[in-house]
Amino acid sequence: DAKTTQPNSMESNEEEPVHLPCNHSTISGTDYIHWYRQLPSQGPEYVIHGLTSNVNNRMASLAIAEDRKSSTLILHRATLRDAAVYYCIEGANFGNEKLTFGTGTRLTIIP
Amino acid sequence: DADVTQTPRNRITKTGKRIMLECSQTKGHDRMYWYRQDPGLGLRLIYYSFDVKDINKGEISDGYSVSRQAQAKFSLSLESAIPNQTALYFCATSDPRTGGIADTQYFGPGTRLTVL
Repeated sequence: DAKTTQPNSMESNEEEPVHLPCNHSTISGTDYIHWYRQLPSQGPEYVIHGLTSNVNNRMASLAIAEDRKSSTLILHRATLRDAAVYYCIEGANFGNEKLTFGTGTRLTIIP
Repeated sequence: DADVTQTPRNRITKTGKRIMLECSQTKGHDRMYWYRQDPGLGLRLIYYSFDVKDINKGEISDGYSVSRQAQAKFSLSLESAIPNQTALYFCATSDPRTGGIADTQYFGPGTRLTVL
């Protein structure tokens, strides 16, 4: 079973920031938090990952709570192309554990 | 050209037939994975291989088998297809050396399989 909890769906207006929440209350101290997204009719693609500190890349930002029991993926300015299912995943370090995908959050962008 | 390719992209078959789905990658990654996706259930891991000599069962391996012919090729077989194996199948690759310790996975475009 997936170890993370996400809302089934969210909506956001185009060109506004989007905050996608994820709860991972049983995460161990060495597990990373990964985010992937799946655009319509495509395979999942990597978005971002982090351990303790907040992370930024060209696609998004990841804000991790101090107790690491939750995190938020931030899309700073949503576009129609960001409409996708977003998956929050716990993963062990050193890449020895498989990623377990849950059902994710379906993000709809309103023009 | 795509780094991870899957053939065929779509396949319709009948119950009891043997089916092979193929995955090829040009990323030079050692690790390869097969997932299936059903509506409302997310992705579930079928088999994975951490190198050419390594094959491991995933969450839902019953009814499936795999072959790692080379670093670049990982095939999934359904020996006797049944209707509840109708799903979208994804292949993925990863390499902790290039992805750092978080082992980023790169997915193919998927194969839509329908078993009648």
